[in-house]
Amino acid sequence: EVVLTQSPATLSVSPGERATLSCRASQFISTNLAWYQQRPGQAPRLLIYGASTRATGVPARFSGSGSGTEFSLTISSLQSEDFAVYYCQQYNNWLLYTFGQGTKLEIK
Amino acid sequence: EVQLLESGGGLVQPGGSLRLSCAASGFTFSDYAMNWVRQAPGRGLEWVSTLSGSEGSRYYADSVRGRFSISRDNSKNTLYLQMNSLRAEDTAVYYCARDFKAGDYVGWFDPWGQGTLVTVSS
Repeated sequence: EVVLTQSPATLSVSPGERATLSCRASQFISTNLAWYQQRPGQAPRLLIYGASTRATGVPARFSGSGSGTEFSLTISSLQSEDFAVYYCQQYNNWLLYTFGQGTKLEIK
Repeated sequence: EVQLLESGGGLVQPGGSLRLSCAASGFTFSDYAMNWVRQAPGRGLEWVSTLSGSEGSRYYADSVRGRFSISRDNSKNTLYLQMNSLRAEDTAVYYCARDFKAGDYVGWFDPWGQGTLVTVSS
């Protein structure tokens, strides 16, 4: 099983500032990684797939990067609606998909 | 508009059974693989099961294999999850989610339904 470790568990950032979230895979997964945003009481929403491709309707302030085992999600200028929990997910291990434990992005 | 609407959750005793449904609309249901993902209270996401569009292939997480069964009725645009021998650790919100692209499995999910809560407790 591919284990995804997200860091930090909680990130405190002020609105307008930049936030960088990390996701590390326990083995090589190429660019087979997605990122999701989950606001309180809501279902997850796809942000990024293929490690760096934004889903339709996702603002350009969201960007993903990385390959192999190290990945990151950057939000360039935080808006109030961006404070949420973010999950990475790998799909390299065919039909044994796994998620990271999540990073909570909170207002500083 | 693409929509997924889960139903069927509730309170069930350990060892009991429950069947979840996910009604789909706004897309050609039979063209897409469909998935169940769950989230225990206050916890992260866990992939549960995937079913191909043609219902030819089913896949399960180790934690549910042999107890849960995924199926679909393409004539009713509905996905199901039959859950047997339920345990306390199966308590979670269960989401159905569509594979991003039609055809072969892609492995990332969009969109997701709003979820249905399953509570296993005596």
